[in-house]
Amino acid sequence: SQQGEEDPQALSIQEGENATMNCSYKTSINNLQWYRQNSGRGLVHLILIRSNEREKHSGRLRVTLDTSKKSSSLLITASRAADTASYFCATDGNSGYALNFGKGTSLLVTP
Amino acid sequence: ETGVTQSPTHLIKTRGQQVTLRCSSQSGHNTVSWYQQALGQGPQFIFQYYREEENGRGNFPPRFSGLQFPNYSSELNVNALELDDSALYLCASSRGTGGNQETQYFGPGTRLLVL
Repeated sequence: SQQGEEDPQALSIQEGENATMNCSYKTSINNLQWYRQNSGRGLVHLILIRSNEREKHSGRLRVTLDTSKKSSSLLITASRAADTASYFCATDGNSGYALNFGKGTSLLVTP
Repeated sequence: ETGVTQSPTHLIKTRGQQVTLRCSSQSGHNTVSWYQQALGQGPQFIFQYYREEENGRGNFPPRFSGLQFPNYSSELNVNALELDDSALYLCASSRGTGGNQETQYFGPGTRLLVL
């Protein structure tokens, strides 16, 4: 069963716009990670945020974490066509070693 | 691009057959995790190997088994293949386990089709 849920399922925007994706999860966590996947290939690690952090930045990415609401958001600013991909959040949940993924958000950025 | 490699990239098998998938972990990593990703779904955790021992297992039957070798590379074996085993199989390498585990870095995956 999926631990996390991403929202929306699909998002279509134009180049230059910002894209925001949300993730909700069910159990307590040590950290939460965001990954990108292009066309059913391997996952690329984007950013990790620990449970005691509230916000983290990496280039055009901004991730927030609200452990009281068990939710996280990923903001991609000034999007590019190359950002077109599926985005997954993953939590380590109770085990601390198994990553639990949602179904992902499919992002389409059109020129 | 990560240093995690997987082979083969694609595979077609028949129901009832057995398959072995391989993964080479990134240099310096001692942990390998395997995931199954069905079409349109997120990856599902199969199991993890840490220092050659199975460290944890997801909700997969015993016909899914694995090995980790002294160089920390790993194999995933699936016996008695079923149609529902058709999926992208991903391995991820990392350092440590549990609360000390660092980021998991994924390979490109092996796409298995069972006919």
